[in-house]
Amino acid sequence: QKEVEQDPGPLSVPEGAIVSLNCTYSNSAFQYFMWYRQYSRKGPELLMYTYSSGNKEDGRFTAQVDKSSKYISLFIRDSQPSDSATYLCAMSVQTGGGNKLTFGTGTQLKVEL
Amino acid sequence: GAVVSQHPSWVICKSGTSVKIECRSLDFQATTMFWYRQFPKQSLMLMATSNEGSKATYEQGVEKDKFLINHASLTLSTLTVTSAHPEDSSFYICSARVGSGNEQFFGPGTRLTVL
Repeated sequence: QKEVEQDPGPLSVPEGAIVSLNCTYSNSAFQYFMWYRQYSRKGPELLMYTYSSGNKEDGRFTAQVDKSSKYISLFIRDSQPSDSATYLCAMSVQTGGGNKLTFGTGTQLKVEL
Repeated sequence: GAVVSQHPSWVICKSGTSVKIECRSLDFQATTMFWYRQFPKQSLMLMATSNEGSKATYEQGVEKDKFLINHASLTLSTLTVTSAHPEDSSFYICSARVGSGNEQFFGPGTRLTVL
């Protein structure tokens, strides 16, 4: 079993739709949760960074963490064609050094006109 | 802020040659940099963690003699793929961490094609 599970998609939605992206994880030691957006042939771009359970909002993006269920989500409101990309969840455990990230496989999103 | 660059953005080389990829933090000092490899439609796989002034820590299954990492300064880390073979063809991405925080900022990646 992978430490982090993420549906690879592809997920296709019409412009303006609300998008829900999700990851589940098995390691209860994960404390830090991130969402990255990666356009084709580009490096990942940090979108959201959360620590505690609950919601964090930034513009059209909302990150949600449920540590009891080991489940995190990213919601995108009023989705735009420019949101078409692969979305990667990532998690880390606070260690003495390194703070290595464990990534999900990424969900490919396509927002259509 | 927190901009990371990589050079080159793409490279094509012959089998058996060595290729060096540079990763630079442009507007901050990075005590720790990470090197990842990403195959098509797959996630990022951590290859090694590089700390300035010390030897890199490699992940299990990554050959340290094949993937040489040098982190000579707080703004530059290099990855050299030695004696490259077609199976080394991949997208190599570096990231840098600001201080002791958990956030990593990624470079744009280098696409390596070995013929």
